Amino acid sequence: DGGITQSPKYLFRKEGQNVTLSCEQNLNHDAMYWYRQDPGQGLRLIYYSQIVNDFQKGDIAEGYSVSREKKESFPLTVTSAQKNPTAFYLCASIVEGDTEAFFGQGTRLTVV
Amino acid sequence: GNSVTQMEGPVTLSEEAFLTINCTYTATGYPSLFWYVQYPGEGLQLLLKATKADDKGSNKGFEATYRKETTSFHLEKGSVQVSDSAVYFCALSGLVNQGGKLIFGQGTELSVKP
Repeated sequence: DGGITQSPKYLFRKEGQNVTLSCEQNLNHDAMYWYRQDPGQGLRLIYYSQIVNDFQKGDIAEGYSVSREKKESFPLTVTSAQKNPTAFYLCASIVEGDTEAFFGQGTRLTVV
Repeated sequence: GNSVTQMEGPVTLSEEAFLTINCTYTATGYPSLFWYVQYPGEGLQLLLKATKADDKGSNKGFEATYRKETTSFHLEKGSVQVSDSAVYFCALSGLVNQGGKLIFGQGTELSVKP
C-alpha cells in the first residue's frame, strides 16, 4: 500500500542532543513538508521541499535542518539550537499539480 | 497575509446532535479549501475538500460549502456519532507561489457523548 511512513513514533531527546526524524513516502510525490503541532495550536510549517536537492524554510525553521537527497525521503533534524522541541511532528506530501496533502502518523518528540 | 480562523473548542455534543464548526479564511487569490480530521495520537486525514467557489465537499455525512462571498467553509453534520470525536482542522492551499503549503486553523476538538 502506498503511503507516508514516519519513524520513530515516540522519541526522547536529552538536552543538547541532535535527533533525526524519518519520513519516507512511496506515493511518488514531488513535494514534501514538515509541520510541528503544539497543543491547542494549528500546524506550523517548518521546512518544505518541492524537488530533490532543494528545500525552503517555512515559518518556524530556526533550530531545524532537512535534506532531500532522494525523492522518497525527507528527514528532519532537530538540533540543540531548538530550545523548545517537545511537540508532535507531522510529515506530509503532495503530488505536483494537486493540492491534497497526505500525512504520516507523526512522531512525538519529548525532551527529557 | 493568508490565514484561517476556526471556532474555538472544545465542542461537546450528545450523540445524534447537529454539528457546525465555523471556518473563515483570508487569502489573496483563489485557494482550495480543506477539512482534515485527527484522531488521538494519529496524523491528519483528509475529510473533504472544495477547489472553487460554490463547490460542496462531502464525506461520511460531513459537508462544507466554499462560500467566496463570505470567505467561509463551515463544516456540518446532521447527526454526530461517538466515533466522530476528534480534532478538526480547516486549511487552505493552492495559492500561487506558495509551494503547495497548507495553512491551517488552530483546530477544533469535538467530543461526542453517548
